[in-house]
Amino acid sequence: DTGVSQDPRHKITKRGQNVTFRCDPISEHNRLYWYRQTLGQGPEFLTYFQNEAQLEKSRLLSDRFSAERPKGSFSTLEIQRTEQGDSAMYLCASRIAGYNEQFFGPGTRLTVL
Amino acid sequence: SQKIEQNSEALNIQEGKTATLTCNYTNYSPAYLQWYRQDPGRGPVFLLLIRENEKEKRKERLKVTFDTTLKQSLFHITASQPADSATYLCALDMEDNYGQNFVFGPGTRLSVLP
Repeated sequence: DTGVSQDPRHKITKRGQNVTFRCDPISEHNRLYWYRQTLGQGPEFLTYFQNEAQLEKSRLLSDRFSAERPKGSFSTLEIQRTEQGDSAMYLCASRIAGYNEQFFGPGTRLTVL
Repeated sequence: SQKIEQNSEALNIQEGKTATLTCNYTNYSPAYLQWYRQDPGRGPVFLLLIRENEKEKRKERLKVTFDTTLKQSLFHITASQPADSATYLCALDMEDNYGQNFVFGPGTRLSVLP
């Protein structure tokens, strides 16, 4: 499968725990995006990378959230000290800079109890 | 900041009819406007893109229009089928023009009734 993959697909955690999600983009895509989506809403931008450089973070993004893309390939999104309000679908997308279409992964559904 | 409204949260139409979905935005026009389809529990899938200097774009049963004066895009599905039932998202690509990110609308949930 040459699409965007995300792991895990589902994560249930207790409030206060740390969680980490992984995204593997399409191999030749140099831009990688993280979004959060709650029920009935569109994806909300969190951050994006061009290669290994994190170029932008949403002003709404709490400092409990951190993302990395160490070798310009896969990326991880970590949420520290999770809160119930963090419960959402976390989507990853990738594209080639200069091309418009974003390819989305299946998402990781996070439930914080 | 850029805001997007999509005409209604849900739209029900009869099979065979044309579905028309609306996307309205505030502030400045993007270089590109995109439409995505999202099925429950899945990530969005790209459908069509229209550039700011294009009035209309077609792909099979899909048609998109873009009016930068009205700050509006219309998305049409002709001869709709129950398999078209999904949530449709409008997205503004602000990235290359303004160094900003993609902004997605809340989506319209389309149900095509047999």
